[in-house]
Amino acid sequence: EDQVTQSPEALRLQEGESSSLNCSYTVSGLRGLFWYRQDPGKGPEFLFTLYSAGEEKEKERLKATLTKKESFLHITAPKPEDSATYLCAVHFRAGNNRKLIWGLGTSLAVNP
Amino acid sequence: SAVISQKPSRDICQRGTSLTIQCQVDSQVTMMFWYRQQPGQSLTLIATANQGSEATYESGFVIDKFPISRPNLTFSTLTVSNMSPEDSSIYLCSVQRHTNYEQYFGPGTRLTVT
Repeated sequence: EDQVTQSPEALRLQEGESSSLNCSYTVSGLRGLFWYRQDPGKGPEFLFTLYSAGEEKEKERLKATLTKKESFLHITAPKPEDSATYLCAVHFRAGNNRKLIWGLGTSLAVNP
Repeated sequence: SAVISQKPSRDICQRGTSLTIQCQVDSQVTMMFWYRQQPGQSLTLIATANQGSEATYESGFVIDKFPISRPNLTFSTLTVSNMSPEDSSIYLCSVQRHTNYEQYFGPGTRLTVT
């Protein structure tokens, strides 16, 4: 079954304490994996697109990596303003169609 | 990216009534999407709205309940009809600029049905 699973569901860090969020997927025909950030009461904000295993993208304290089974969002020396829910979504080919599946997200809280 | 606005930002409605949500984009886009996000759940695609054609609905969503209009390349509306408390949710519109499915979202409409 095509599935996207994010872990952990929630993560609490101290400011400066680096960690990683995981997005694992079981789809074939991957066309792209997306990371978004969502603040409470707002729409998701696009962060990264990864297309193939081994690819990495960076933006400020965030670094996204991709393997054939999962993606990691590494957060280096986080600040309280990094607190948000981080969503991943997988775009893949299903027969003649293309589909997009969303994970449930990881809620990140960074304490000062 | 794209600048996307939605109206209203929130509303409280009585059961049995209908609400129309508007989505405005700052530039022309071919593909627009409507999502629902319920508490603790993932984003669920309601339908894809392409200008000049009928909206394509996902399994579990029907046009009579969620009629969509797409009169031009910068605007779309989603109507939630004959509402019940189960329709209480955040409704999001998004746009796709490229063929890689990279999407940009509006701020959402928080709907509460009493």
